[in-house]
Amino acid sequence: EAGVAQSPRYKIIEKRQSVAFWCNPISGHATLYWYQQILGQGPKLLIQFQNNGVVDDSQLPKDRFSAERLKGVDSTLKIQPAKLEDSAVYLCASSPLRGGASGNEQFFGPGTRLTVL
Amino acid sequence: SQQGEEDPQALSIQEGENATMNCSYKTSINNLQWYRQNSGRGLVHLILIRSNEREKHSGRLRVTLDTSKKSSSLLITASRAADTASYFCATGHTGFQKLVFGTGTRLLVSP
Repeated sequence: EAGVAQSPRYKIIEKRQSVAFWCNPISGHATLYWYQQILGQGPKLLIQFQNNGVVDDSQLPKDRFSAERLKGVDSTLKIQPAKLEDSAVYLCASSPLRGGASGNEQFFGPGTRLTVL
Repeated sequence: SQQGEEDPQALSIQEGENATMNCSYKTSINNLQWYRQNSGRGLVHLILIRSNEREKHSGRLRVTLDTSKKSSSLLITASRAADTASYFCATGHTGFQKLVFGTGTRLLVSP
């Protein structure tokens, strides 16, 4: 079974530029998550999709971050414009059912390391 | 911060020794999960324990959960150099639809 795919693996941009990340979850997984992991910290959930609907985006900085999940499969996360504090690893994860409270494990991709100069 | 706290922040041991990591959280939970993260990679699920369970085993891993103290521990027995990684606890909270991750413990196992 193929795992969660993410691209690009690394991205370096200057502040105020835009950037987009792509995620392809495990086939058949209904739930998709985007996390931000700042160096030395644990992952922080940015947004959670159930199929193509948003379940939780309470910690997504909506003035600059946006995400979509087309047809309930692939997802893109965009930052526009980027700030220095956005430097982090952006992790995508998927789960076959509602994860977390329902007790299902999440499967993580390798992440995209973003550096904002 | 909504993250739980883990201690120690860093742990250095020799191969063959046991490693114990602790996780504390603040509100009631539905389940608690442990994940491992190797340097520069994504997280890998290790074990899940539900709020009505007290102990669970998986290979060399033993997890305990004390809901009265709002804490959990992960024990890795007979550690190997390949166990070197960061370990995170993540809580699934009643009424929430997400996992809340702790700050992690960095484990270094020396040959």
